[in-house]
Amino acid sequence: KAGVTQTPRYLIKTRGQQVTLSCSPISGHRSVSWYQQTPGQGLQFLFEYFSETQRNKGNFPGRFSGRQFSNSRSEMNVSTLELGDSALYLCASSRTGDNQPQHFGDGTRLSIL
Amino acid sequence: QQPVQSPQAVILREGEDAVINCSSSKALYSVHWYRQKHGEAPVFLMILLKGGEQKGHDKISASFNEKKQQSSLYLTASQLSYSGTYFCGTEGGNTPLVFGKGTRLSVIA
Repeated sequence: KAGVTQTPRYLIKTRGQQVTLSCSPISGHRSVSWYQQTPGQGLQFLFEYFSETQRNKGNFPGRFSGRQFSNSRSEMNVSTLELGDSALYLCASSRTGDNQPQHFGDGTRLSIL
Repeated sequence: QQPVQSPQAVILREGEDAVINCSSSKALYSVHWYRQKHGEAPVFLMILLKGGEQKGHDKISASFNEKKQQSSLYLTASQLSYSGTYFCGTEGGNTPLVFGKGTRLSVIA
């Protein structure tokens, strides 16, 4: 059974640009969550999608957005990139999202120059 | 609201035991525990639902006290492979899974 796949693995951008990250969940999983990981801050919750609907959103500015498609694949977009957006972005999937184990992808490491 | 983990870091010798604590200021419905090794994705260890149950996973177990809104992860007879950063995650019903800042565990020979 294939795991959670995130693309690309690495990305280098400059300030002001925008970026789109992709996440393909485990087959049969309908919930996808996104997290930002930076040293010392742990895993900061960005948003959760279930059946193409955003179910929860974390405390991040509107520059961070996402969506989920009918096949449960999800994308995350960050516009007007800032230096502070440099981080590892992790995607996790689960069957329904409620009190279920989360399966993480290897993440996309985003570096802003 | 982000749960609080303690300690932030701990160093153990092989065979020693450790306890990692996780507490929340909000009512909890479930607590998750994950381990992340350097350069890898977090890996699910166990989930505890409200009801005060204790779960075990090899020599790693955990408890959940919903009244105190706390959970503890117990690592006994630690092995080198236990090294990594441990995260607790908490859910409060309709709220998403949010994680603490992690506890860095280093096991040395």
